[in-house]
Amino acid sequence: ETGVTQSPTHLIKTRGQQVTLRCSSQSGHNTVSWYQQALGQGPQFIFQYYREEENGRGNFPPRFSGLQFPNYSSELNVNALELDDSALYLCASSFRGPGETQYFGPGTRLLVL
Amino acid sequence: AQKVTQAQTEISVVEKEDVTLDCVYETRDTTYYLFWYKQPPSGELVFLIRRNSFDEQNEISGRYSWNFQKSTSSFNFTITASQVVDSAVYFCALRGNAGNMLTFGGGTRLMVKP
Repeated sequence: ETGVTQSPTHLIKTRGQQVTLRCSSQSGHNTVSWYQQALGQGPQFIFQYYREEENGRGNFPPRFSGLQFPNYSSELNVNALELDDSALYLCASSFRGPGETQYFGPGTRLLVL
Repeated sequence: AQKVTQAQTEISVVEKEDVTLDCVYETRDTTYYLFWYKQPPSGELVFLIRRNSFDEQNEISGRYSWNFQKSTSSFNFTITASQVVDSAVYFCALRGNAGNMLTFGGGTRLMVKP
């Protein structure tokens, strides 16, 4: 186990609602990255947080937002949910540096009806 | 732009067979990092290996081995004497020198039958 935890494990929402996903990073790590994995595809980078600021963003609209807290845990918020937002959301923690390796949590499965 | 291609979407082998998972990447960075992750049915991505672009030594870890060839932009993964527990989806990923994101391939689903 990596020590990265995510909550909740599963979530069902309806279109137009808002959702908050949570991630606790591994002890000693200061960076959290979020990925979206649609069924049958590889994970897609959403954004990364370092020192409580967004530090890189993938091709996702502004309704995807996040936070990082002083204890390095993080939240992913998605507003105005769409059916295509149904996916596995993966959080990864790492210690920022040239050879950083991202360690992933178990993910949150979001279903939007 | 960076890109990772895993041409094999699904591989099925019988236990104890050797199997190689292919990974081809594209990047303009001169320094970059390559990764392999395993994703069992539970969904969690399990880190297997990281390789730096300036270190082309192949690596062996138990039944796992990795062949990194810059000349062909490939980073292939071989499982020797496969076991049923190896059944999972395997992802190859790339991170550039300046970037912080991982670019993943589409994954290869490996099924090992008893």
